[in-house]
Amino acid sequence: DQQVKQNSPSLSVQEGRISILNCDYTNSMFDYFLWYKKYPAEGPTFLISISSIKDKNEDGRFTVFLNKSAKHLSLHIVPSQPGDSAVYFCAARFGNQFYFGTGTSLTVIP
Amino acid sequence: GAVVSQHPSRVICKSGTSVKIECRSLDFQATTMFWYRQFPKQSLMLMATSNEGSKATYEQGVEKDKFLINHASLTLSTLTVTSAHPEDSSFYICSASGDSGGYEQYFGPGTRLTVT
Repeated sequence: DQQVKQNSPSLSVQEGRISILNCDYTNSMFDYFLWYKKYPAEGPTFLISISSIKDKNEDGRFTVFLNKSAKHLSLHIVPSQPGDSAVYFCAARFGNQFYFGTGTSLTVIP
Repeated sequence: GAVVSQHPSRVICKSGTSVKIECRSLDFQATTMFWYRQFPKQSLMLMATSNEGSKATYEQGVEKDKFLINHASLTLSTLTVTSAHPEDSSFYICSASGDSGGYEQYFGPGTRLTVT
């Protein structure tokens, strides 16, 4: 069963507004969470991460929030730019293994 | 939900030997499978794309004779690292995509390869 879920297959946001991508997980033993960005015909590239001992990590326009009690994390992009249009995967780590969500396709409309 | 498994999860081999990694889609037919290698700083590099029953398409810079990929069925793809060297030590991840034609990829949990 999927241990990491991204329930929104797609999201459209106007340029300049905030994009919020969500991710839910089931395994409370995950100790590290990551977000990857993927353009067509390319491999996913690392975007931002957060340790399970934190609840927020910010890097420029990207902020990841972790709610352990809800087993939920989210990625906020603000302001959104057309170049942010891509597929975003969240991933969770347990020991030596990574579990990925199925991705959310973000379209930023100019 | 769709599940992709990888076996083994961890393998240690001696330099010069070959190692096979299996990627299986457990509950759906994977028309396309992807193999990635994870480098430091967490980025994933796409190594090759394979479609069931046809030869894999390798990304530039990936040696097809060294990294043999076979996608013989709709549920199984294998990556064989031939004549492994210590620099091949890495984390290899596969993902699978079904018939939807969409962007969804279901990732396996990865295989940690250590070449001594």
